[in-house]
Amino acid sequence: EAQVTQNPRYLITVTGKKLTVTCSQNMNHEYMSWYRQDPGLGLRQIYYSMNVEVTDKGDVPEGYKVSRKEKRNFPLILESPSPNQTSLYFCASSTWDRVGIDTQYFGPGTRLTVL
Amino acid sequence: SQQGEEDPQALSIQEGENATMNCSYKTSINNLQWYRQNSGRGLVHLILIRSNEREKHSGRLRVTLDTSKKSSSLLITASRAADTASYFCATDPLEGAQKLVFGQGTRLTINP
Repeated sequence: EAQVTQNPRYLITVTGKKLTVTCSQNMNHEYMSWYRQDPGLGLRQIYYSMNVEVTDKGDVPEGYKVSRKEKRNFPLILESPSPNQTSLYFCASSTWDRVGIDTQYFGPGTRLTVL
Repeated sequence: SQQGEEDPQALSIQEGENATMNCSYKTSINNLQWYRQNSGRGLVHLILIRSNEREKHSGRLRVTLDTSKKSSSLLITASRAADTASYFCATDPLEGAQKLVFGQGTRLTINP
């Protein structure tokens, strides 16, 4: 079954404690992306990757890191989480080509609370 | 600022009625995509319409695109309670970085 998986689904942590949210897709997609969703603000892109070892900042990259060492995985790293990073996080993947980014497949989301 | 802006922000209708949501954007695009999100869950893709297309259908869904007005609409016909969700448009800008830009969504409630 084609899918994007995220782990953990729920996480409560404390300020400053490094954490990683994993994302994996089984569709051999080149394009992967992380979004955060906050009430009243919609989805905002954090980072995206167009292929292995190719990553770029989205609209709200501050406080986050990513890596793309393998095509299927795109982990999101919070080196020193702060309460303003409390949010619902989504990973997504798709193909892309010269005519644009294709349909995004979304993971189930990770609800992060930073105390 | 967000490229896509949905209108209205919230819509409440009776089951069986049609629901229309609109999306406006600012810059030229490769394509525009519509997604549905049930409360707190992942987004599910509905329809992708390319810049050279004017209308697409999928079941009870009809999407139109007017590139001259930089706007799109999503029509859900014969609505059902299960259509209750938030609906988002996302644009893939023609210029600049390869990234989708989402609007803030329309919250649709179907009353039985």
